Amino acid sequence: EDKVVQSPLSLVVHEGDTVTLNCSYEVTNFRSLLWYKQEKKAPTFLFMLTSSGIEKKSGRLSSILDKKELFSILNITATQTGDSAIYLCAVEGKSNAGKSTFGDGTTLTVKP
Amino acid sequence: DTGVSQDPRHKITKRGQNVTFRCDPISEHNRLYWYRQTLGQGPEFLTYFQNEAQLEKSRLLSDRFSAERPKGSFSTLEIQRTEQGDSAMYLCASSPGEYNEQFFGPGTRLTVL
Repeated sequence: EDKVVQSPLSLVVHEGDTVTLNCSYEVTNFRSLLWYKQEKKAPTFLFMLTSSGIEKKSGRLSSILDKKELFSILNITATQTGDSAIYLCAVEGKSNAGKSTFGDGTTLTVKP
Repeated sequence: DTGVSQDPRHKITKRGQNVTFRCDPISEHNRLYWYRQTLGQGPEFLTYFQNEAQLEKSRLLSDRFSAERPKGSFSTLEIQRTEQGDSAMYLCASSPGEYNEQFFGPGTRLTVL
């Protein structure tokens, strides 16, 4: 059974801080790892990672994958109150391509 | 708005009643997924379709749950004889293919009294 564990469960920071969110996983025949942001609605896609060591970047957000150690991190620099959300990590295996197994998320609160 | 839509957005029902939810995916997305999410947890996979074919159904899903996608476009999820434990947010997502990110709808929040 595929499994995703995210840490920390929750995090409170102040605007301008940098945060690192962690995702460790177990999956049969790894295909991809995805990060989503969930505010008071449905998850929205952030990144898809398939190769180790290649950083994906979008503005203040970046993510990297380590397939040997089976984890990924999501970094957010210069945090803003609009970054407050639940950040979800999901994995997909080649044997059940398209079916995502999600972690329980990290709840990030950014205070002004 | 050309995103994924779901209807209704909220549903309150009494235990034992049947409910049906609808999902309209992004047009031309051939993959459609259903998830269930409860407070403090990530989305839990229920089932998914490739066009009109239901390719997988979670083992956690009881026989009271059924989903269809008759013409490969919209999908319905029906829960028969609802129980209080069915109370959750039901999310639908679509993707253009097998190895693409999923686009989620706003969800249907079900409350079973």
